[in-house]
Amino acid sequence: NAGVTQTPKFQVLKTGQSMTLQCAQDMNHEYMSWYRQDPGMGLRLIHYSVGAGITDQGEVPNGYNVSRSTTEDFPLRLLSAAPSQTSVYFCASSYSIRGDYGYTFGSGTRLTVV
Amino acid sequence: GENVEQHPSTLSVQEGDSAVIKCTYSDSASNYFPWYKQELGKRPQLIIDIRSNVGEKKDQRIAVTLNKTAKHFSLHITETQPEDSAVYFCAADISSNYKLTFGKGTLLTVNP
Repeated sequence: NAGVTQTPKFQVLKTGQSMTLQCAQDMNHEYMSWYRQDPGMGLRLIHYSVGAGITDQGEVPNGYNVSRSTTEDFPLRLLSAAPSQTSVYFCASSYSIRGDYGYTFGSGTRLTVV
Repeated sequence: GENVEQHPSTLSVQEGDSAVIKCTYSDSASNYFPWYKQELGKRPQLIIDIRSNVGEKKDQRIAVTLNKTAKHFSLHITETQPEDSAVYFCAADISSNYKLTFGKGTLLTVNP
């Protein structure tokens, strides 16, 4: 199993450009989520999904869109990048089976918007 | 929504000493409390977690305690080693396991 795979690892965008951060998992986890990490702020939830076709907003959703057409993939779209979106982005997948929980994080995407 | 406070923000100890990091949470419905270790440039790695039906859990030099009445939980690292140096995050989840709320992190430095 590859676990959670994020691409790209690094990206530089100009203000106003759009891009999609890719996230894929091969563990058949039902739940997937996106977090951003900024210095001194911990990880903050952007969007999450409880299954294919179902998504919802987290703590900091503005400026980001998501979709979940398959169990495996959960891309994060920046429609018009802003310098405030410079951050490290982590995708995670998780499960819950009979009271047992598990989260797996991807290796992250470091995004710089200039 | 849930709010998680973590203290201290930085902690420096001598090798061999113990380190304690504390977190409080606001939502009494939270019932899953993981701790993550993050080294520079790496992803968060789960080091220990605790469910709300348990008061304490230990794994070698690492232990976590939970006080549901007071809504706080703590990470204890004994016999610290330089390789324990990292940023540690606590988190809380309201039984749904898809909405982790994180503390802001503690930078632990273990001095040889």
